[in-house]
Amino acid sequence: EPEVTQTPSHQVTQMGQEVILRCVPISNHLYFYWYRQILGQKVEFLVSFYNNEISEKSEIFDDQFSVERPDGSNFTLKIRSTKLEDSAMYFCASTVGDVNTEAFFGQGTRLTVV
Amino acid sequence: GENVEQHPSTLSVQEGDSAVIKCTYSDSASNYFPWYKQELGKRPQLIIDIRSNVGEKKDQRIAVTLNKTAKHFSLHITETQPEDSAVYFCAAIQTGTASKLTFGTGTRLQVTL
Repeated sequence: EPEVTQTPSHQVTQMGQEVILRCVPISNHLYFYWYRQILGQKVEFLVSFYNNEISEKSEIFDDQFSVERPDGSNFTLKIRSTKLEDSAMYFCASTVGDVNTEAFFGQGTRLTVV
Repeated sequence: GENVEQHPSTLSVQEGDSAVIKCTYSDSASNYFPWYKQELGKRPQLIIDIRSNVGEKKDQRIAVTLNKTAKHFSLHITETQPEDSAVYFCAAIQTGTASKLTFGTGTRLQVTL
Protein backbone atom coordinates (compact mmCIF):
# COMPACT_ATOMS: atom_id res chain seq x y z
CA GLU A 1 0.00 0.00 0.00
CA PRO A 2 1.42 3.42 -0.91
CA GLU A 3 2.26 5.69 1.98
CA VAL A 4 3.55 9.13 2.81
CA THR A 5 7.10 9.04 4.12
CA GLN A 6 8.84 11.65 6.23
CA THR A 7 12.45 12.24 7.22
CA PRO A 8 13.96 12.55 9.69
CA SER A 9 11.83 10.80 12.29
CA HIS A 10 13.38 12.94 15.03
CA GLN A 11 15.25 16.23 14.79
CA VAL A 12 16.90 18.05 17.65
CA THR A 13 18.00 21.61 16.95
CA GLN A 14 19.19 24.63 18.83
CA MET A 15 16.98 27.66 19.14
CA GLY A 16 17.55 30.05 16.27
CA GLN A 17 18.72 27.38 13.85
CA GLU A 18 17.03 26.54 10.58
CA VAL A 19 15.45 23.14 10.05
CA ILE A 20 14.06 21.44 6.98
CA LEU A 21 11.54 18.65 7.32
CA ARG A 22 11.11 16.41 4.34
CA CYS A 23 8.16 14.49 2.98
CA VAL A 24 7.50 12.28 0.02
CA PRO A 25 3.75 12.29 -0.68
CA ILE A 26 1.93 9.49 -2.43
CA SER A 27 2.88 9.67 -6.09
CA ASN A 28 -0.52 10.31 -7.70
CA HIS A 29 -1.65 12.78 -5.05
CA LEU A 30 -1.96 16.42 -5.99
CA TYR A 31 -2.56 18.21 -2.70
CA PHE A 32 -0.04 18.37 0.11
CA TYR A 33 -0.30 19.52 3.68
CA TRP A 34 1.66 20.11 6.82
CA TYR A 35 0.09 19.71 10.23
CA ARG A 36 1.56 20.17 13.68
CA GLN A 37 0.77 18.42 16.95
CA ILE A 38 2.19 19.75 20.18
CA LEU A 39 2.57 16.95 22.72
CA GLY A 40 -0.78 15.97 24.19
CA GLN A 41 -2.74 18.38 22.03
CA LYS A 42 -4.79 18.17 18.86
CA VAL A 43 -3.48 18.14 15.33
CA GLU A 44 -3.38 21.65 13.86
CA PHE A 45 -3.34 22.67 10.21
CA LEU A 46 -0.34 24.66 9.04
CA VAL A 47 -0.47 24.91 5.27
CA SER A 48 -1.86 23.35 2.11
CA PHE A 49 -0.08 23.29 -1.23
CA TYR A 50 -1.31 22.64 -4.74
CA ASN A 51 0.06 23.26 -8.20
CA ASN A 52 3.32 24.58 -6.80
CA GLU A 53 1.81 27.22 -4.61
CA ILE A 54 0.28 27.65 -1.19
CA SER A 55 -3.50 27.20 -1.23
CA GLU A 56 -4.13 28.16 2.36
CA LYS A 57 -2.17 28.75 5.52
CA SER A 58 -3.08 29.10 9.17
CA GLU A 59 -2.11 31.78 11.66
CA ILE A 60 0.63 29.48 12.91
CA PHE A 61 2.34 29.56 9.51
CA ASP A 62 4.09 32.89 9.86
CA ASP A 63 7.08 34.34 8.02
CA GLN A 64 9.41 31.88 9.73
CA PHE A 65 7.80 29.00 7.83
CA SER A 66 8.04 28.16 4.17
CA VAL A 67 7.19 25.19 1.98
CA GLU A 68 8.64 23.99 -1.24
CA ARG A 69 8.33 21.19 -3.74
CA PRO A 70 11.86 21.27 -5.12
CA ASP A 71 11.42 18.31 -7.43
CA GLY A 72 8.70 15.93 -8.53
CA SER A 73 8.63 13.93 -5.33
CA ASN A 74 9.73 15.88 -2.25
CA PHE A 75 7.68 18.36 -0.27
CA THR A 76 9.56 20.28 2.40
CA LEU A 77 8.76 22.46 5.38
CA LYS A 78 11.42 24.94 6.43
CA ILE A 79 11.50 26.78 9.71
CA ARG A 80 14.00 29.61 9.39
CA SER A 81 14.78 30.44 13.00
CA THR A 82 13.37 27.88 15.38
CA LYS A 83 11.83 28.80 18.70
CA LEU A 84 11.25 26.63 21.74
CA GLU A 85 7.52 26.66 21.02
CA ASP A 86 8.14 25.09 17.61
CA SER A 87 8.82 21.81 19.40
CA ALA A 88 6.12 19.45 18.19
CA MET A 89 5.37 16.51 15.94
CA TYR A 90 5.05 17.63 12.35
CA PHE A 91 2.92 15.54 10.04
CA CYS A 92 2.89 15.70 6.29
CA ALA A 93 -0.26 14.57 4.49
CA SER A 94 -1.45 14.26 0.94
CA THR A 95 -4.76 13.81 -0.85
CA VAL A 96 -5.75 12.87 -4.37
CA GLY A 97 -8.22 15.70 -4.79
CA ASP A 98 -9.36 18.81 -2.98
CA VAL A 99 -12.84 17.97 -1.75
CA ASN A 100 -13.94 15.14 0.48
CA THR A 101 -10.98 12.89 -0.05
CA GLU A 102 -9.06 10.82 2.46
CA ALA A 103 -5.92 12.41 3.83
CA PHE A 104 -2.96 10.05 4.18
CA PHE A 105 -0.53 11.02 6.91
CA GLY A 106 3.18 10.39 7.17
CA GLN A 107 4.63 8.94 10.33
CA GLY A 108 5.71 12.36 11.52
CA THR A 109 8.92 14.18 12.44
CA ARG A 110 9.38 14.96 16.09
CA LEU A 111 11.10 18.34 16.30
CA THR A 112 12.75 19.24 19.57
CA VAL A 113 14.12 22.76 19.92
CA VAL A 114 16.57 23.20 22.80
CA GLY B 1 -13.48 29.29 10.34
CA GLU B 2 -14.55 25.82 11.31
CA ASN B 3 -14.48 24.82 14.97
CA VAL B 4 -14.83 21.22 16.13
CA GLU B 5 -15.62 20.31 19.72
CA GLN B 6 -15.09 16.77 20.99
CA HIS B 7 -16.25 15.00 24.15
CA PRO B 8 -15.29 13.34 26.37
CA SER B 9 -11.57 14.04 26.63
CA THR B 10 -11.00 10.69 28.33
CA LEU B 11 -13.10 7.56 28.33
CA SER B 12 -12.50 4.34 30.19
CA VAL B 13 -14.56 1.25 29.39
CA GLN B 14 -14.34 -2.40 30.23
CA GLU B 15 -13.47 -4.85 27.51
CA GLY B 16 -16.59 -5.85 25.65
CA ASP B 17 -18.49 -2.67 26.47
CA SER B 18 -19.38 0.03 23.95
CA ALA B 19 -17.72 3.41 23.63
CA VAL B 20 -19.26 6.56 22.21
CA ILE B 21 -17.40 9.73 21.30
CA LYS B 22 -19.26 12.85 20.24
CA CYS B 23 -18.29 15.84 18.13
CA THR B 24 -19.96 19.03 17.05
CA TYR B 25 -18.93 21.33 14.25
CA SER B 26 -19.73 24.93 13.50
CA ASP B 27 -19.54 25.33 9.72
CA SER B 28 -22.73 24.07 8.07
CA ALA B 29 -20.83 23.91 4.77
CA SER B 30 -18.60 21.08 6.06
CA ASN B 31 -19.56 17.87 4.32
CA TYR B 32 -16.90 15.28 5.10
CA PHE B 33 -16.22 13.95 8.58
CA PRO B 34 -13.37 11.50 9.12
CA TRP B 35 -12.36 9.81 12.35
CA TYR B 36 -8.72 9.10 13.11
CA LYS B 37 -7.13 6.73 15.59
CA GLN B 38 -3.72 7.69 16.91
CA GLU B 39 -1.60 5.33 18.93
CA LEU B 40 1.16 6.77 21.08
CA GLY B 41 3.90 8.33 18.97
CA LYS B 42 2.33 7.26 15.68
CA ARG B 43 0.55 8.89 12.79
CA PRO B 44 -3.22 9.48 12.75
CA GLN B 45 -4.89 6.68 10.85
CA LEU B 46 -8.30 6.93 9.27
CA ILE B 47 -10.71 4.40 10.73
CA ILE B 48 -14.02 5.54 9.28
CA ASP B 49 -15.52 8.55 7.58
CA ILE B 50 -18.94 9.85 6.68
CA ARG B 51 -20.18 12.26 4.07
CA SER B 52 -23.01 14.69 4.54
CA ASN B 53 -25.40 12.84 2.25
CA VAL B 54 -25.41 9.85 4.62
CA GLY B 55 -26.78 9.62 8.16
CA GLU B 56 -24.97 6.51 9.32
CA LYS B 57 -22.13 4.27 8.26
CA LYS B 58 -20.89 1.04 9.79
CA ASP B 59 -17.73 -0.99 9.41
CA GLN B 60 -17.65 -4.09 11.59
CA ARG B 61 -17.42 -2.90 15.22
CA ILE B 62 -17.21 0.77 14.29
CA ALA B 63 -20.07 3.03 13.29
CA VAL B 64 -20.45 6.74 12.75
CA THR B 65 -23.66 8.76 12.80
CA LEU B 66 -24.22 12.27 11.49
CA ASN B 67 -26.95 14.74 12.32
CA LYS B 68 -26.54 17.62 9.89
CA THR B 69 -29.34 19.68 11.39
CA ALA B 70 -27.75 19.63 14.81
CA LYS B 71 -24.20 19.60 13.43
CA HIS B 72 -23.32 16.56 15.52
CA PHE B 73 -21.49 13.41 14.60
CA SER B 74 -20.54 10.47 16.77
CA LEU B 75 -18.26 7.46 16.76
CA HIS B 76 -19.54 4.20 18.21
CA ILE B 77 -17.26 1.30 18.99
CA THR B 78 -18.94 -1.93 20.08
CA GLU B 79 -17.38 -4.93 21.79
CA THR B 80 -14.29 -2.95 22.69
CA GLN B 81 -10.95 -4.71 22.87
CA PRO B 82 -7.67 -3.67 24.54
CA GLU B 83 -6.20 -2.84 21.12
CA ASP B 84 -8.87 -0.17 20.71
CA SER B 85 -7.03 1.84 23.38
CA ALA B 86 -5.74 4.99 21.67
CA VAL B 87 -6.55 8.64 21.13
CA TYR B 88 -9.41 9.23 18.71
CA PHE B 89 -9.81 12.46 16.79
CA CYS B 90 -12.83 13.60 14.86
CA ALA B 91 -12.37 16.08 12.05
CA ALA B 92 -14.38 18.14 9.63
CA ILE B 93 -13.55 19.50 6.24
CA GLN B 94 -14.58 22.91 5.05
CA THR B 95 -15.62 22.71 1.44
CA GLY B 96 -13.46 24.57 -1.03
CA THR B 97 -10.43 24.70 1.22
CA ALA B 98 -8.28 21.99 -0.31
CA SER B 99 -9.40 19.40 2.22
CA LYS B 100 -7.94 21.24 5.19
CA LEU B 101 -8.84 19.14 8.21
CA THR B 102 -10.06 20.82 11.37
CA PHE B 103 -9.55 18.37 14.22
CA GLY B 104 -11.34 17.95 17.49
CA THR B 105 -9.38 17.96 20.72
CA GLY B 106 -9.18 14.18 20.93
CA THR B 107 -10.54 11.46 23.21
CA ARG B 108 -8.20 9.14 25.04
CA LEU B 109 -9.95 5.77 25.13
CA GLN B 110 -8.75 3.22 27.64
CA VAL B 111 -10.15 -0.30 27.40
CA THR B 112 -9.55 -2.22 30.60
CA LEU B 113 -9.61 -5.96 31.07
